Amino acid sequence: AQKVTQAQTEISVVEKEDVTLDCVYETRDTTYYLFWYKQPPSGELVFLIRRNSFDEQNEISGRYSWNFQKSTSSFNFTITASQVVDSAVYFCALSGKYNNNDMRFGAGTRLTVKP
Amino acid sequence: NAGVTQTPKFRVLKTGQSMTLLCAQDMNHEYMYWYRQDPGMGLRLIHYSVGEGTTAKGEVPDGYNVSRLKKQNFLLGLESAAPSQTSVYFCASSTMTGSYEQYFGPGTRLTVT
Repeated sequence: AQKVTQAQTEISVVEKEDVTLDCVYETRDTTYYLFWYKQPPSGELVFLIRRNSFDEQNEISGRYSWNFQKSTSSFNFTITASQVVDSAVYFCALSGKYNNNDMRFGAGTRLTVKP
Repeated sequence: NAGVTQTPKFRVLKTGQSMTLLCAQDMNHEYMYWYRQDPGMGLRLIHYSVGEGTTAKGEVPDGYNVSRLKKQNFLLGLESAAPSQTSVYFCASSTMTGSYEQYFGPGTRLTVT
């Protein structure tokens, strides 16, 4: 069975602080894919990143960075110098190779960035 | 391009009533999905389709039916609504399997009283 755990339900930071959102996953597949999506207050889900299980390189995109560690089954997301516009619910998700249409989402982490 | 659109945006139903949610995409995607989002539970897959004329069950299919008569449309039906189906429903599509990025619609907020 596949499972994604986002233990942090809510996080509140002050603008310009760095913040890390945790994601821990469980899967029996050796090939799988991990995702992060952002859901701003407007409600739509916005794709942020996709990584496959064979690519453990960390990724940086502007103020966003992702740390993928297979040894701890984690795919954490860090926002550097947070801004008010980063306030949203962030979802981590997992898709396996052999049941790849059954994407499992974590419960989400609500991030509030205060000015 | 409109991307993924959903109709309606809001709906209130009484227990036992039926309704159909429409999802349309203009990206020529093969794969389409219906999710529900409930507080504290993330998104859960209801049904999905890997192509025109095909549908399959997801994690929480009970109480729902779907149809994919045209490639661009994916309909979600509730035959006899129950309060437990109060949720926000999202449609998504992807060019290939669920291992690839999914594009989401704006959501439909359904309340069953």
